Amino acid sequence: DGGITQSPKYLFRKEGQNVTLSCEQNLNHDAMYWYRQDPGQGLRLIYYSQIVNDFQKGDIAEGYSVSREKKESFPLTVTSAQKNPTAFYLCASRNRQNTGELFFGEGSRLTVL
Amino acid sequence: AQSVAQPEDQVNVAEGNPLTVKCTYSVSGNPYLFWYVQYPNRGLQFLLKYITGDNLVKGSYGFEAEFNKSQTSFHLKKPSALVSDSALYFCAVSGPNDMRFGAGTRLTVKP
Repeated sequence: DGGITQSPKYLFRKEGQNVTLSCEQNLNHDAMYWYRQDPGQGLRLIYYSQIVNDFQKGDIAEGYSVSREKKESFPLTVTSAQKNPTAFYLCASRNRQNTGELFFGEGSRLTVL
Repeated sequence: AQSVAQPEDQVNVAEGNPLTVKCTYSVSGNPYLFWYVQYPNRGLQFLLKYITGDNLVKGSYGFEAEFNKSQTSFHLKKPSALVSDSALYFCAVSGPNDMRFGAGTRLTVKP
């Protein structure tokens, strides 16, 4: 089945550690996105990529990094510089046309201990 | 800048009654508007979208939305609510490069 796979679903991290969240899609979509979800704040855009080897900062990119070496993959690294990393992270993709809907993964919940 | 607002954090309706979840938008140019639903600890699922054409858009699970240009609104509606419709609903607007979401409205349908 086509879709987006995020892993791990749950992740625990000690303060000061970097962690990487995986996002893989087999929908042949050009564009991929990372959002952060906190209670009562909706979804906030962290990074997005419209094409391989190119990505742009969203509204809350500080403390995060990404790469887009392959069309299918868009991993997100939460670095120790992120002050409040505990959150639910959502990856999404779509074709480059801005009339298309986003397809979401099931999310990764990161908890910093 | 493109943005949407959902004025209600919470909507409560009785099963079998009609439901409305409100959304207003602010865009420059043509608005491309979307509704998504999220169940606990899951990703968002697409319900419907307005790109152009008829102001009444029909989507999944019996939901529909009415685009109103003069009121800059895109309210989500369903004629008869089900308990299983209880979830978090997000309105969104698509820009040239990304998609912006409202804060979400929690819908609770009581038996």
